[in-house]
Amino acid sequence: ETGVTQTPRHLVMGMTNKKSLKCEQHLGHNAMYWYKQSAKKPLELMFVYNFKEQTENNSVPSRFSPECPNSSHLFLHLHTLQPEDSALYLCASSPQGGGSSYEQYFGPGTRLTVT
Amino acid sequence: SQKIEQNSEALNIQEGKTATLTCNYTNYSPAYLQWYRQDPGRGPVFLLLIRENEKEKRKERLKVTFDTTLKQSLFHITASQPADSATYLCALENFGNEKLTFGTGTRLTIIP
Repeated sequence: ETGVTQTPRHLVMGMTNKKSLKCEQHLGHNAMYWYKQSAKKPLELMFVYNFKEQTENNSVPSRFSPECPNSSHLFLHLHTLQPEDSALYLCASSPQGGGSSYEQYFGPGTRLTVT
Repeated sequence: SQKIEQNSEALNIQEGKTATLTCNYTNYSPAYLQWYRQDPGRGPVFLLLIRENEKEKRKERLKVTFDTTLKQSLFHITASQPADSATYLCALENFGNEKLTFGTGTRLTIIP
């Protein structure tokens, strides 16, 4: 295990539903990330939090809303999603923000299906 | 435009041979380059980080090279084993950008 947990592991939701993804890291890291991974496409960075402050929003639609109440927890709130939002959503953490100077530790991901 | 390309989508190598994976980049000036391994249905796992002033980095059977002139990194697995079968991702960041950008990955299969 990498020290990063994600729940739920699988989620099926309708386009009108509201749901939340949860990520928790037990590594004492200060930076946390949300990525989207779709088939045949590279990982797409969505949001970055460094010391609980959002430092990156990579042009993500407002139907995705992140929340970082403390350095150990990260949420992704979902509402009125589209079928093309179906993907593997990965959470990661690193000792602090700073791009590639620090390795990132990934959770197992949440497989999201929007019907 | 910026691009990160990993040689082929899939690579099959005979067990015991050396597997070599390529990561080429365009319009980046990376300070660091990282390699990750991803198994099906799981998150990527960090393997190695190499700095732009380092030519080579080793860890057990893994070796990474970084050529900023060619804008290329090579990832080698020596004495390959079926357990090495996975998708391997390279990732890099532009100087000062502080965002890690990933390539699409190479799916490596080691054939017994």
